[in-house]
Amino acid sequence: NAGVMQNPRHLVRRRGQEARLRCSPMKGHSHVYWYRQLPEEGLKFMVYLQKENIIDESGMPKERFSAEFPKEGPSILRIQQVVRGDSAAYFCASSPQKNRGETQYFGPGTRLLVL
Amino acid sequence: GESVGLHLPTLSVQEGDNSIINCAYSNSASDYFIWYKQESGKGPQFIIDIRSNMDKRQGQRVTVLLNKTVKHLSLQIAATQPGDSAVYFCAEKFTGGGNKLTFGTGTQLKVEL
Repeated sequence: NAGVMQNPRHLVRRRGQEARLRCSPMKGHSHVYWYRQLPEEGLKFMVYLQKENIIDESGMPKERFSAEFPKEGPSILRIQQVVRGDSAAYFCASSPQKNRGETQYFGPGTRLLVL
Repeated sequence: GESVGLHLPTLSVQEGDNSIINCAYSNSASDYFIWYKQESGKGPQFIIDIRSNMDKRQGQRVTVLLNKTVKHLSLQIAATQPGDSAVYFCAEKFTGGGNKLTFGTGTQLKVEL
């Protein structure tokens, strides 16, 4: 079984550009979560999605950030007009619908560097 | 060796010794806890979980202990190996908080040969 897949693994953007991060959940998983990790810190929750629905976006910045999980294809985390403070590792996790979706399995992350 | 998390973010142990990594959580309503291991440049890897109706759970070489009275969680690693070197995070989920996990700040475990 393939694990959670994320791409790209590394992304370099200049200030003002857009960043698109992709996440394919584990097979059979219908819940997707995005977290952000700054250097030497723990992960911070951003958003929780199920297919075609945003369930909880309480951790998402109000501006420039958006997420989707379409019926077909990967989940996308989109950051518009990136700033240097957006530089971080962005992790996607997925969970199955059973067991109340508690156990979350993480992908390898996308490391975003804003120049 | 034993860690107290925020006060001692790095734990060094000799290969073959047992390791104890501690975590204090803040929300008494938390009902589910997970330990993750994160190696440099990688994503968090699930180690073991425990629900709030339990106080101990064992896996392969690992044991998680939960003390709800003092809101404390610990991860015990038996016969620590060089491959155990990583940052260890505890995470909690609480009723009413949806499915999101709240992570602690992590403890760096270094295994010395």
